[in-house]
Parts: sequence; structure tokens; C-alpha cells
Amino acid sequence: NAGVTQTPKFQVLKTGQSMTLQCAQDMNHEYMSWYRQDPGMGLRLIHYSVGAGITDQGEVPNGYNVSRSTTEDFPLRLLSAAPSQTSVYFCASRITGAGRYNEQFFGPGTRLTVL
Amino acid sequence: AQSVTQLDSQVPVFEEAPVELRCNYSSSVSVYLFWYVQYPNQGLQLLLKYLSGSTLVESINGFEAEFNKSQTSFHLRKPSVHISDTAEYFCAANTGNQFYFGTGTSLTVIP
Repeated sequence: NAGVTQTPKFQVLKTGQSMTLQCAQDMNHEYMSWYRQDPGMGLRLIHYSVGAGITDQGEVPNGYNVSRSTTEDFPLRLLSAAPSQTSVYFCASRITGAGRYNEQFFGPGTRLTVL
Repeated sequence: AQSVTQLDSQVPVFEEAPVELRCNYSSSVSVYLFWYVQYPNQGLQLLLKYLSGSTLVESINGFEAEFNKSQTSFHLRKPSVHISDTAEYFCAANTGNQFYFGTGTSLTVIP
């Protein structure tokens, strides 16, 4: 299994540009999520999905859109990039439900710079 | 709302010395607790987790954490650290569909 994969690894955008960060997992996990990591602030949840066709907002959803058309893929879209969106973005997935499967598996991250 | 507090942003410690990284959480409902480790330029990896049962949980590389419900804490400890333990450590709590992360503790092991 490749686990959770993210592309690209690095990206530089100009203010106002749009782009999509890709995330895919091959573990058949129902739950997928996007986080941003900023110095001194830890990881903050942007959006999450509990299954294909179902998405919901996390702590910091403004400026980002998501969709979940398949179990495997969960892209994150920046509609009009702003310097405040400069960050490292992590995608994660896990099995839903209670019990010993609540561990999240993280991708390697995408480092985004908005000029 | 759930919150996770890591009291120390940076912890320097000499090699082979013991270390404790502190984590407190706030929740009025049952939570699952985790410690993740992040090495430079990498994603997060699960270090250990508390779901239920024994309040003391251990990892394969010598770390342990104790769930203390009365103090709402989940501190991470290691009796003797190695250079390779230098990394960022995140405490996290899971309730329902959301994970809440602390702000991280940067552990630096000094030779």
C-alpha cells in the first residue's frame, strides 16, 4: 500500500491564483481530512469527509473548498490564494467508528507559498 | 469545545537523560488520545494512543504516556532519550469526527 499520497510537494502561487492540492489513499478509509500546519499553532482542521459525497467544515474552512467523489480522493481547492494561506498542508485518513481504528494516517505534506 | 494544550513549546535535554512532554486536554465527553511525532520535512507518525483499558500505554521505541482522567492529562515520558528522538511531538484528542491537536513541543536532544 502507498498509504496517503499528496501532490505537489512544493508550490508557489501569486495572490489571486487558484489551485488544487491532491490527496489520495489506497486503504479504503471512509474518513479523510485536510489540515494546515503553521508555526506555533499546531495542526488545524480545514475540512473533512466521512465518505464519498459527504464533506463538512473544520476549524478554518474559509478560502478552501473540497469535494469527495470517490473513496480514494479528497482534493483541496484554493479559490483565490492569499498570503495568509502560506502554510504546510497535510492530508490524513482513517477508518470511521469507535474502537482501535481511530488512528489517522498522514501524507507527507504540501508546502505552499503565496506571494 | 475540545482543546489540547501542550505546555512546553521547546524542550532541550541531554542525551540519555529522562524527558517528559506535557499535554492536557479539555473535554466533557469520552476522548481518544494520541501522541504523534514529526521528523523534519516529514508528515506525522503515530507514536502511541490511548483508547480504553490500561491507562499506561507504551510505544515500540521506549516512550510511554499515562492517561490521567482526574487531571485531564496525557503526558509523554521516556527514561533515556537518544539523539534520534529529536523531533516535534504533537498531542491530539479525538471526539466524534474531529481531531484536535496541540501546538506541538520541539524536543532537542543535546549530545
